[in-house]
Amino acid sequence: DTGVSQDPRHKITKRGQNVTFRCDPISEHNRLYWYRQTLGQGPEFLTYFQNEAQLEKSRLLSDRFSAERPKGSFSTLEIQRTEQGDSAMYLCASSLGDIPKSYGYTFGSGTRLTVV
Amino acid sequence: KNEVEQSPQNLTAQEGEFITINCSYSVGISALHWLQQHPGGGIVSLFMLSSGKKKHGRLIATINIQEKHSSLHITASHPRDSAVYICAVRSANFGNEKLTFGTGTRLTIIP
Repeated sequence: DTGVSQDPRHKITKRGQNVTFRCDPISEHNRLYWYRQTLGQGPEFLTYFQNEAQLEKSRLLSDRFSAERPKGSFSTLEIQRTEQGDSAMYLCASSLGDIPKSYGYTFGSGTRLTVV
Repeated sequence: KNEVEQSPQNLTAQEGEFITINCSYSVGISALHWLQQHPGGGIVSLFMLSSGKKKHGRLIATINIQEKHSSLHITASHPRDSAVYICAVRSANFGNEKLTFGTGTRLTIIP
């Protein structure tokens, strides 16, 4: 297992286009998280899955954003009708945890989105 | 006021110096993470702490739960340690799994 993989690494898109990112977590990890990081800031939480269930969504996740994790394995994050403010690094992380104790996170390398 | 505050925001030091980065938080937590991010790169998890102290190579992380404070120390710093170091906390609320991040400390080690 090579860790958490994200694809693509970079994406440049025109405003108004739809984009989709993929995250492949560590295979035995049941939890998967999406974060967004803008320049000079720390990452901000977007959404979180336990297996295939999306358990929490941030208010940052407008109705243009949708995330899925079919079959509890890889996850996709789609942004519809992109805006320039969506330009950011989108980070995926996974962890293995048994409620109530969780274990350390493993982060992917991120997908850098630039909306022009 | 952010829930997680880091200081300093920027730190430049000479190779070999002892480095300390501080993190204060204002909420109850179940764990605190120290993370490293290189320019344009992803995030590497350095430590996860819920109490006491951990050491890995030249890196040491401590946490004081009562004072809601954690420190990351780097001994014998090296230019390859140059990166952004980020503190992140996980809420103590049951079922709340997300991390809340500080804005990071940009460390530059000069040869």
